[in-house]
Amino acid sequence: AQSVTQLGSHVSVSEGALVLLRCNYSSSVPPYLFWYVQYPNQGLQLLLKYTSAATLVKGINGFEAEFKKSETSFHLTKPSAHMSDAAEYFCAVIQGPLWSGGFKTIFGAGTRLFVKA
Amino acid sequence: DGGITQSPKYLFRKEGQNVTLSCEQNLNHDAMYWYRQDPGQGLRLIYYSQIVNDFQKGDIAEGYSVSREKKESFPLTVTSAQKNPTAFYLCASSITDYQPQHFGDGTRLSIL
Repeated sequence: AQSVTQLGSHVSVSEGALVLLRCNYSSSVPPYLFWYVQYPNQGLQLLLKYTSAATLVKGINGFEAEFKKSETSFHLTKPSAHMSDAAEYFCAVIQGPLWSGGFKTIFGAGTRLFVKA
Repeated sequence: DGGITQSPKYLFRKEGQNVTLSCEQNLNHDAMYWYRQDPGQGLRLIYYSQIVNDFQKGDIAEGYSVSREKKESFPLTVTSAQKNPTAFYLCASSITDYQPQHFGDGTRLSIL
């Protein structure tokens, strides 16, 4: 079964510093991977997705993620943090096909990003 | 604009009462989902539906029920059997079950 691990439940950076949020997945086949962002009292928004077309994926708000098969990682980065980046970030992987023939999205536990002025 | 609408945003339940959370989408998506989110925890899948008139239990379906009579609608009922219903509930939809999900803004349920 697929799983996804986000290292660090909380990450704190200074405004203007590099943002690095870590995600590792377990997979025996090429996965579909996603990063979502959640602002307080809102639903999740898709930041970016990896579907095997390119290993470096660019998303919205200046975020990008690199798929590294050898490390089974899909870390999220942004060169310069902004106060508005403070939110919770979720890594997710598609599991399947299941016994029912369908697929299931497995979410990581989330990483809360704090940005200091 | 297309999207997912959840209502109400805040809901209060009395002991022994069933309550229904609404979720409507106009994205023409086939798949719909309900998640529960507790403070400091990730998302836990309650129910999902890949097509109209069909749905499957997720990881924490006990104490919840759903229906999918229309493509656009996937209401969730929190029954009195759910002993700890206080949480943030998120509805989502996707084109298919291996595509990214679009989320509503959630309903926060509390017990009076």
